[in-house]
Amino acid sequence: GQNIDQPTEMTATEGAIVQINCTYQTSGFNGLFWYQQHAGEAPTFLSYNVLDGLEEKGRFSSFLSRSKGYSYLLLKELQMKDSASYLCAVRHPLDNYGQNFVFGPGTRLSVLP
Amino acid sequence: DAGVTQSPTHLIKTRGQQVTLRCSPKSGHDTVSWYQQALGQGPQFIFQYYEEEERQRGNFPDRFSGHQFPNYSSELNVNALLLGDSALYLCASSSDVWNEAFFGQGTRLTVV
Repeated sequence: GQNIDQPTEMTATEGAIVQINCTYQTSGFNGLFWYQQHAGEAPTFLSYNVLDGLEEKGRFSSFLSRSKGYSYLLLKELQMKDSASYLCAVRHPLDNYGQNFVFGPGTRLSVLP
Repeated sequence: DAGVTQSPTHLIKTRGQQVTLRCSPKSGHDTVSWYQQALGQGPQFIFQYYEEEERQRGNFPDRFSGHQFPNYSSELNVNALLLGDSALYLCASSSDVWNEAFFGQGTRLTVV
């Protein structure tokens, strides 16, 4: 089966940097995604990693180590609007068509002034 | 572009009843997937529709069924509702196998 672990909650200060970790165990790796979900809203895509290394996109970066089953999402220059849940997800190993994600429980990030 | 739209936004049903939730995919998208998100949890994959057929299915009982129409919109049906079916039901769409999936805002179902 598949298992994904993330911290349940994190708190950080406006303007700071925060790293949200995700560890996964899966029988076959097919890519890892990060989504942001504000309370009561749709999850929105942040990043996709399929190869080892760092992917940078503006204030957000995502890192993957396939050998360690580990990823992190790095948020720089935190803003109040970054307060949200951050969902780590891997493609199901039997997913031949896309969109069959296995999500972690999500990390609820609170940004304080 | 309206994005992925779902209806209704909120719904209250009684245990044992049946419910139908609706999803219109983002313009140009032909694949629709449904997820169940319990409070404080990540979404769980229910099933996926493409060309009006169920193409993939997660670990959900047969009480959960669906349909896709020729215009790519989709319905999720849940029969014999249980209290544990209370959750946010999310619809996601995409246009290609490995493309980014876009999620709707969901339908909040409460079973009492």
